[in-house]
Amino acid sequence: GAVVSQHPSRVICKSGTSVKIECRSLDFQATTMFWYRQFPKQSLMLMATSNEGSKATYEQGVEKDKFLINHASLTLSTLTVTSAHPEDSSFYICSAAGDRGPNQPQHFGDGTRLSIL
Amino acid sequence: AQSVTQLDSHVSVSEGTPVLLRCNYSSSYSPSLFWYVQHPNKGLQLLLKYTSAATLVKGINGFEAEFKKSETSFHLTKPSAHMSDAAEYFCVVMDPRAGRRALTFGSGTRLQVQP
Repeated sequence: GAVVSQHPSRVICKSGTSVKIECRSLDFQATTMFWYRQFPKQSLMLMATSNEGSKATYEQGVEKDKFLINHASLTLSTLTVTSAHPEDSSFYICSAAGDRGPNQPQHFGDGTRLSIL
Repeated sequence: AQSVTQLDSHVSVSEGTPVLLRCNYSSSYSPSLFWYVQHPNKGLQLLLKYTSAATLVKGINGFEAEFKKSETSFHLTKPSAHMSDAAEYFCVVMDPRAGRRALTFGSGTRLQVQP
């Protein structure tokens, strides 16, 4: 089945550091990738939709200058949390969708647990 | 607008007994519906999907779900629970309109399986 690889799986860093998270589709071309944030014991909240070769579409309330998204190829999207602070600590999950029609399910990475000290 | 309501935040069953996780949806068009499972500190794995074909959908690991338009429900069932089924389950609705495939998640149901 379709595989999405997310790296790193865990990051612990100091406040003020910028952190980059990578999301790769390993066996299909992902025209669209999605970035989600999940707080403990809560559901996933969509942060932004990333289309290859164009600017990401951010959901209301998500700071685009804080969460930089780049989707430079059909197999790679990156999320950079700039100048991270403790309130940015969370579980970040990416997903990818191919181009085989609007009803195709999304395939998820294993997530990145970000802890800002 | 679309929304998803998972009626139970926690469900506890004994190993070998049936599982029922309830989901109701609201949508102004014909939705695509999914169930995903999340194990601790992991991403989401697709269990099954409904995309306007057969109303009874069979998924992986013995799970199935039935789409009932009259009740706007998409409940997930399994005849016999295994210990490995303990996880968080999300009911998800997708906007199938061209150009927009973001998902709306339910709040999740934590399934506990007692030995």
